[in-house]
Amino acid sequence: DQQVKQNSPSLSVQEGRISILNCDYTNSMFDYFLWYKKYPAEGPTFLISISSIKDKNEDGRFTVFLNKSAKHLSLHIVPSQPGDSAVYFCAASITGNQFYFGTGTSLTVIP
Amino acid sequence: GAGVSQSPSNKVTEKGKDVELRCDPISGHTALYWYRQSLGQGLEFLIYFQGNSAPDKSGLPSDRFSAERTGGSVSTLTIQRTQQEDSAVYLCASSPSSTNYGYTFGSGTRLTVV
Repeated sequence: DQQVKQNSPSLSVQEGRISILNCDYTNSMFDYFLWYKKYPAEGPTFLISISSIKDKNEDGRFTVFLNKSAKHLSLHIVPSQPGDSAVYFCAASITGNQFYFGTGTSLTVIP
Repeated sequence: GAGVSQSPSNKVTEKGKDVELRCDPISGHTALYWYRQSLGQGLEFLIYFQGNSAPDKSGLPSDRFSAERTGGSVSTLTIQRTQQEDSAVYLCASSPSSTNYGYTFGSGTRLTVV
């Protein structure tokens, strides 16, 4: 059973606009969350993380929002750039060691 | 190299044969993880090594799967008597410690069992 879900397999956004990638989870015990970005033929690269004591974490153009009551996580990219086109995975963990990943959302930023 | 290195990048094997997948983590990283991604699935945790502690094998799907980490560095994932459902991309990741969850992933080994 998929404990972390990314229900949108793909997303297209115009360059300069905001990209919003969503992630839902089922286990209320999860308290560490990460986003990874993956280009074709490469391994995932760490993007940004958030722990349950916060509801927002920002790093440059990337902001992750956490809504624990809704068991919902989102990644905002603003402004979106063509180089942001990749597959984005969210991941959740209880212990910080074993992570459960979503199936990914493929983002295409249109120039 | 500076990153996590995995070999081979691609492996095609006949059903029933054994395979070994190798991971060279970033030098100095004490934590090493094996994951696999099957088509249309999320990343699935397999096994976790931290320093000299006993590995967390809770994600291994069957006793055909085993892994070792020699000298706290290179790790080998072995799949015995491969089955078609073992076909997946096997990813290795390392991090500086068990509490640093900004992992660095390798590019993976694509295993195809025919």
